[in-house]
Amino acid sequence: DAGITQSPRHKVTETGTPVTLRCHQTENHRYMYWYRQDPGHGLRLIHYSYGVKDTDKGEVSDGYSVSRSKTEDFLLTLESATSSQTSVYFCAISAMPNTEAFFGQGTRLTVV
Amino acid sequence: GENVEQHPSTLSVQEGDSAVIKCTYSDSASNYFPWYKQELGKGPQLIIDIRSNVGEKKDQRIAVTLNKTAKHFSLHITETQPEDSAVYFCAASIGGRAQKLVFGQGTRLTINP
Repeated sequence: DAGITQSPRHKVTETGTPVTLRCHQTENHRYMYWYRQDPGHGLRLIHYSYGVKDTDKGEVSDGYSVSRSKTEDFLLTLESATSSQTSVYFCAISAMPNTEAFFGQGTRLTVV
Repeated sequence: GENVEQHPSTLSVQEGDSAVIKCTYSDSASNYFPWYKQELGKGPQLIIDIRSNVGEKKDQRIAVTLNKTAKHFSLHITETQPEDSAVYFCAASIGGRAQKLVFGQGTRLTINP
């Protein structure tokens, strides 16, 4: 298995609170991604990074921000969590575009 | 932007039979088409992928076909086994600066013994 660790694995938080999810990789891959998974929607890209301090928006980026200060870490922040952000969040990494993307185990986030 | 439609949403087959899952995409610039398998409680895992310069690819019991003209691609699993039971996702990517995969909605495949 690719060396990807997501933390926390489960979190329950209240509406309006800030939340940060962490993705840590040991593969030294350049590209990192955050997806959310919801029933009936498959996986949808939130934000991605193509290098340290280089990030861009995906298709569902509203309400989320990201940071990548080191190759190995990619942080996803919900500035003010809402119930619509209840989901399972997956981090993925890849060495190059259009090559195998390796996914983490996921973080189940519940906003109450 | 790209849109990927996947069918069927659920599929039940007898062990040993074949399973076929189909996807269509909207953006003719897409050039990379991976298939992922997701088991309960785990992240998706790549099982096979195909690029737009190839029409078919096979890996043991799994094959993928791509029709660029019609903008659809399919996953074929032969001689199905109980361990093939999982959720399968197709995806399409245009590539460029990064791999922005657009996923289908998923197919829950159940293999009946």
